[in-house]
Amino acid sequence: GQNIDQPTEMTATEGAIVQINCTYQTSGFNGLFWYQQHAGEAPTFLSYNVLDGLEEKGRFSSFLSRSKGYSYLLLKELQMKDSASYLCAGTYGQNFVFGPGTRLSVLP
Amino acid sequence: DADVTQTPRNRITKTGKRIMLECSQTKGHDRMYWYRQDPGLGLRLIYYSFDVKDINKGEISDGYSVSRQAQAKFSLSLESAIPNQTALYFCATRSGGLNTGELFFGEGSRLTVL
Repeated sequence: GQNIDQPTEMTATEGAIVQINCTYQTSGFNGLFWYQQHAGEAPTFLSYNVLDGLEEKGRFSSFLSRSKGYSYLLLKELQMKDSASYLCAGTYGQNFVFGPGTRLSVLP
Repeated sequence: DADVTQTPRNRITKTGKRIMLECSQTKGHDRMYWYRQDPGLGLRLIYYSFDVKDINKGEISDGYSVSRQAQAKFSLSLESAIPNQTALYFCATRSGGLNTGELFFGEGSRLTVL
């Protein structure tokens, strides 16, 4: 299979920086997506990496290392509204394989 | 209005009943998907379709069937629902022209089988 692994829960403080890691199997891998999902809602797209390196989008950045099968999502200046699950998904051929999601709790 | 619409949003049913979840989209995408989400397991692919005449099984298709009635419509059926099919179900679409395009999700259908 194409296992996608990420921590299931993380906690951070408002205003801080948090890094959510994701590892994946490299065989057949195309690219790496990150989604945000608030409880009971649909996942929404955050970022896509296909080349090695860092992609920055405002407070959110995503990094990919293809040789290591590793990605992370970096959230800066955390806000209470960032409390959500963050889903790492790899594309293999035409399909997406999702990790279990990381539930992030932002505390005041 | 949402680009990807699912009905019903919530459904409670009994074991053995037939259930249909419907999905329609206005994005003009060729590719449509059905996923289920369970706590701690993430999103798992049930079925997918790349055009009206194309249906493919995903990771967990047993106990489910689908119909692609039109480019914009993709429905998921549970012929005889069982309690372990209690889950949050998502329909998603993706542009067929881009392998780098993201999935767009509907708002979800929460199904409870008693």
